[in-house]
Amino acid sequence: QKEVEQNSGPLSVPEGAIASLNCTYSDRGSQSFFWYRQYSGKSPELIMFIYSNGDKEDGRFTAQLNKASQYVSLLIRDSQPSDSATYLCAVNSGTSGTYKYIFGTGTRLKVLA
Amino acid sequence: KAGVTQTPRYLIKTRGQQVTLSCSPISGHRSVSWYQQTPGQGLQFLFEYFSETQRNKGNFPGRFSGRQFSNSRSEMNVSTLELGDSALYLCASRGGPSDTQYFGPGTRLTVL
Repeated sequence: QKEVEQNSGPLSVPEGAIASLNCTYSDRGSQSFFWYRQYSGKSPELIMFIYSNGDKEDGRFTAQLNKASQYVSLLIRDSQPSDSATYLCAVNSGTSGTYKYIFGTGTRLKVLA
Repeated sequence: KAGVTQTPRYLIKTRGQQVTLSCSPISGHRSVSWYQQTPGQGLQFLFEYFSETQRNKGNFPGRFSGRQFSNSRSEMNVSTLELGDSALYLCASRGGPSDTQYFGPGTRLTVL
């Protein structure tokens, strides 16, 4: 089992719709969770992070964390064509002093105008 | 606050040569990680340096090595280049109260 799993997509949504991206992780001791957006040929850009169970909202983005079920999701409201990119889920996993980031393979999102 | 910088941005080498890439982290960040990204393999972790010591290591051959200096700047070296080493090499700086990782713009390496 991969440590961080994401559906590779592509996930296609019409402009203005809600895009829902999901990620599951295997290490129950994982402490923090991150979403990055990566445009083709560019480096990943941090969108948001979440530590606690529940929802965290930032503009059109909402991260949701459920530690009991070991999943984290990212909702993008009012999706725009400019949101078309690959979204990487990352989990900060390990023990104190040895935390390391583990990335999923990413979900490609296509927002159709 | 300045972001993560990487030099050079683009590099073309031939098989058998070696290459050194440089990364300057965000001021105050002591952790620097290196990743290789290719279309087929996604983001692959190479290694992480913290306070001049390698703290974590991925599954790459010994041709890939790195180091970190006392000012937290890091270099990555690849010796005896192979065609398969063509990739985007990303450096990421990590720190702050949220221990968040930020990526540099990357170095695009092409091996001919």
